[in-house]
Parts: sequence; structure tokens; C-alpha cells
Amino acid sequence: AAGVIQSPRHLIKEKRETATLKCYPIPRHDTVYWYQQGPGQDPQFLISFYEKMQSDKGSIPDRFSAQQFSDYHSELNMSSLELGDSALYFCASSPRTPLHHYEQYFGPGTRLTVT
Amino acid sequence: AQSVTQPDIHITVSEGASLELRCNYSYGATPYLFWYVQSPGQGLQLLLKYFSGDTLVQGIKGFEAEFKRSQSSFNLRKPSVHWSDAAEYFCAVEKDSSYKLIFGSGTRLLVRP
Repeated sequence: AAGVIQSPRHLIKEKRETATLKCYPIPRHDTVYWYQQGPGQDPQFLISFYEKMQSDKGSIPDRFSAQQFSDYHSELNMSSLELGDSALYFCASSPRTPLHHYEQYFGPGTRLTVT
Repeated sequence: AQSVTQPDIHITVSEGASLELRCNYSYGATPYLFWYVQSPGQGLQLLLKYFSGDTLVQGIKGFEAEFKRSQSSFNLRKPSVHWSDAAEYFCAVEKDSSYKLIFGSGTRLLVRP
């Protein structure tokens, strides 16, 4: 079965650089979520999109922005990177059907290292 | 505000032994509860979920969980652990009907041969 695709899987950037993470949801899933998982931490919700509109926002820094495109893929843009941004970034998708809209399916993550 | 507590940071069991991972939640109404498993360097895989109805839910890989409202718990169980079950397990609750998940701090499961 198709899964959530994230690219790149690994990314190394220097401080103050920018990074773009991409997420391709499972086909027919119209909702995308982004989470950040620091070393030894639990995943923390950043932002979500439903039908290309931002639906909720968590602890996402102002330096980060995200959007969902017409094909439902999403991109997380991160600017002025800081050492503390080093983490595993997960994308999850879910369908907005009555029975399944709470089921989030996670991608493998993008490991961002800021040096 | 909702919160999730996983009191055990690490648990070690022998292969073939039974397993129970604890999860307590804080929420006024009936929560939507989930268990996810994360293997090293991998993404989160949904094991099972509870929305309503039967309080004993079956998941993948032989896991089950029981929702106990009186104890605010949603413990994960498996009757016989396999070495491949070694991973980090996260309990999660859906926050405020917002579709976003609040995760517990995770329990790392180690399996002795």
C-alpha cells in the first residue's frame, strides 16, 4: 500500500541557511500534518492543512512556514536555521472521512542536522 | 488541556513473555486514543486506536489495548513478545477535536533473547 513520502530523508544545513522539506500524502488523503521530534523527545505538532488551507497551528516558529499545494503535497520552509532546529521532521496524512479522519499515517521523516 | 503520561521510560522483557505498556490520559470527555510504534530511525506506525464502543481494541502485530475510563488509562498489551517488537512506543490523544495529536513521552521496549 502507498505510504506517506517525505524528501529528502536526510538534510545537513549550516546555521542561518534555509531548508525546504517536502511531503507527499497517501493518495486521497486531503489533510497533512507536520511534527517535529527532537532527540529523545516525543513528536510535537507544528502545523496542519486541510484542502490546501491551514487548519491548525502549534508550536511552529515564525521562521518556519508551510503550505499545501493543489496536488495535496505540502512543503515546510525553514529559514534562518538554528542549531536547535536539528530534529526529525515528520509529515502525516489522513483522509477526511467520518470513520477515518482521526487516523494519521506518518511518513519516515526527514532528519535535519544544523551545524 | 489534554495530556498523556507514559510512566515507564524503559521496559525490558524476555522474548515470549507478555507485555503491558502503561498510558494515562487527562481529558474530560471520551478521548480519541492511539498507540504508535517507532523503530530506530523510522517513522511512526499506527498500532491501534480507540474512538468509542468496545473498550478492548485489537491492533496490528498482535497488539491490543483496553480503554478504562475509571482509571483514565489505555494500556497496550501483547501476550507474547517477539524480538522484532523492540522499539519505542508512543501513546497519543487527539487534542480538542482539532485532529492534532498530543504524544506521551514514549516507552522504549527492549527484548531479551
